[in-house]
Amino acid sequence: EGQLLESGGGLVQPGGSLRLSCAASEFTFRNYNMAWVRQAPGKGLEWVSIIGRDVAVTIYADSVKGRFTISRDNSKNTLSLQMNSLRDEDTAVYYCAKKGMEAPGNNWFDSWGQGILVTVSS
Amino acid sequence: EIVMTQSPATLSVSPGERATLSCRASQSVDNNLAWYQQKAGQAPRLLIYDASTRATGIAARFSGSGSGTEFTLTISSLESEDFAIYYCQQCKSWPLTFGGGTKVEIK
Repeated sequence: EGQLLESGGGLVQPGGSLRLSCAASEFTFRNYNMAWVRQAPGKGLEWVSIIGRDVAVTIYADSVKGRFTISRDNSKNTLSLQMNSLRDEDTAVYYCAKKGMEAPGNNWFDSWGQGILVTVSS
Repeated sequence: EIVMTQSPATLSVSPGERATLSCRASQSVDNNLAWYQQKAGQAPRLLIYDASTRATGIAARFSGSGSGTEFTLTISSLESEDFAIYYCQQCKSWPLTFGGGTKVEIK
């Protein structure tokens, strides 16, 4: 199923920026859509963004559209999330997740990173 | 946006008993539904996809059923490691959405 390891989280002030990274291993990274899912403290799961395996397609939740940018480097097996104009409500554990199948459609996730905490606070 | 509603919010069950968790979609998602298990401090783990297909390595006591707007996750005989929060997720349309979760706790 693969291994995923997030990095780059931390404390940032409202209005600030942060870049998350996710290092992928033990699967053919370039063949799979990849996503970010977040979880605010004590809350449920919220899908944030997804990127197609060939980078051409990126989709965002309305809550982050225009502020967050998902990207990937298939040569380095790395997924990234650039987060700008951060708000208090962006405070969450951010997970990177691998789509379960190479085939189009059915965007469920069979492998997740351990998560990285992003805290937006003054 | 498709809203996913899970019930009950909390389910109290004794080890060895059967647990039945429900997930309802605000519009049809066909069979494009997944279930995840999350334990405290851990990432979610995929249990079921396509509404009824067990993911790799998932025990046979977990089963999923349903299509359209009504779905069920059944744990046939609860074991101690099954006490956790369970989420459903629709993958029919954008944005992808999760239910609010059902916490399965020890009775």
